[in-house]
Amino acid sequence: AQKVTQAQTEISVVEKEDVTLDCVYETRDTTYYLFWYKQPPSGELVFLIRRNSFDEQNEISGRYSWNFQKSTSSFNFTITASQVVDSAVYFCALREGAQKLVFGQGTRLTINP
Amino acid sequence: NAGVTQTPKFQVLKTGQSMTLQCAQDMNHEYMSWYRQDPGMGLRLIHYSVGAGITDQGEVPNGYNVSRSTTEDFPLRLLSAAPSQTSVYFCASSRAGPRNQPQHFGDGTRLSIL
Repeated sequence: AQKVTQAQTEISVVEKEDVTLDCVYETRDTTYYLFWYKQPPSGELVFLIRRNSFDEQNEISGRYSWNFQKSTSSFNFTITASQVVDSAVYFCALREGAQKLVFGQGTRLTINP
Repeated sequence: NAGVTQTPKFQVLKTGQSMTLQCAQDMNHEYMSWYRQDPGMGLRLIHYSVGAGITDQGEVPNGYNVSRSTTEDFPLRLLSAAPSQTSVYFCASSRAGPRNQPQHFGDGTRLSIL
């Protein structure tokens, strides 16, 4: 069965530090899709990025970057020069087969000024 | 541009009461789903639908019913509320095309069962 593990329950850093959120997944499928969502204190879920299993190219979007490694079944998320507005709960999710998503437990990130 | 709309935003029920959580989307998405979010457990899939008239169970379907009579609406029914159903509920929708389509989430319904 598919599974997503976010081992870091909570992370607290000082503003401007770099921080990496880990995501490890398990799946039997050769074709699957990975996602990151952000849940700010207001509670809504905001889509950040998606990655196909056949595309291991890393991606950078401003201060955000994602490192996808099939060899280690990981899809880690790095925030460079963190800001207070980055404080949120971040979820990694896996989809295989139909549109069903399996979420990790989430990592609560707190950026202190 | 409403996206996915959930009502109500907050609700308090007594054990044994029934209620329906509403979800509507205006993006003509084929796929809709309901998740519940509990502390330390991420989001878990309750039920989903790949189109009008088609529904299926997710990971935690017990105690919940759904129906999909139109493309736009996907209500979630609690027939006899239990304290274990206290949670935040999210509805999501997406296109049924390529499987890397991101799901669009509503703002959630915070439900407390006393």
